[in-house]
Amino acid sequence: SAVISQKPSRDICQRGTSLTIQCQVDSQVTMMFWYRQQPGQSLTLIATANQGSEATYESGFVIDKFPISRPNLTFSTLTVSNMSPEDSSIYLCSVERGANNEQFFGPGTRLTVL
Amino acid sequence: GNSVTQMEGPVTLSEEAFLTINCTYTATGYPSLFWYVQYPGEGLQLLLKATKADDKGSNKGFEATYRKETTSFHLEKGSVQVSDSAVYFCALTVGTQGGSEKLVFGKGMKLTVNP
Repeated sequence: SAVISQKPSRDICQRGTSLTIQCQVDSQVTMMFWYRQQPGQSLTLIATANQGSEATYESGFVIDKFPISRPNLTFSTLTVSNMSPEDSSIYLCSVERGANNEQFFGPGTRLTVL
Repeated sequence: GNSVTQMEGPVTLSEEAFLTINCTYTATGYPSLFWYVQYPGEGLQLLLKATKADDKGSNKGFEATYRKETTSFHLEKGSVQVSDSAVYFCALTVGTQGGSEKLVFGKGMKLTVNP
């Protein structure tokens, strides 16, 4: 398994501001993923982050809105930029580990934008 | 495209009741199928999985069988407990633009089990 922590666990932010969410893993991993779970919706993959390369974004998500850093093999950040109420969601990071590439998830960051 | 459709709740059951959560999928190729669970205040955890047709995943008394002919992966448990109260997500994996596999999730179903 993997122990994953996220900071902050929740935040309430004003429209137009930005928030950076941190994800820390207890051991080195190659692949880290960022997901969004909007109210009443399923989880949607935002991007895949490999250490040492640019993040790969899924359709509908762009780097200017969701810049990602991956400075080492145990840490990543996701920034939600120029926020609007539509960005109110739970943001989760996950990592891929093990022989079967199972994904393990962090506890999530609950973001509310006013 | 790739998608997962699952029963939406919320659902409330009494302890020892039988549970079925329906899940059907649409996918190109041959996806792997998963059930994830999120207990109150905790992160998503893998409950069980199946990687090919007719495989049965099982864990903690829960079972699901990969049915290619009906494109389904229904979750069942014969006797639920209060501790099973959680949100359950059905999911499948497909390849991403970056070359890895990503999870495609259903909307999740909240289950409450009363004593």
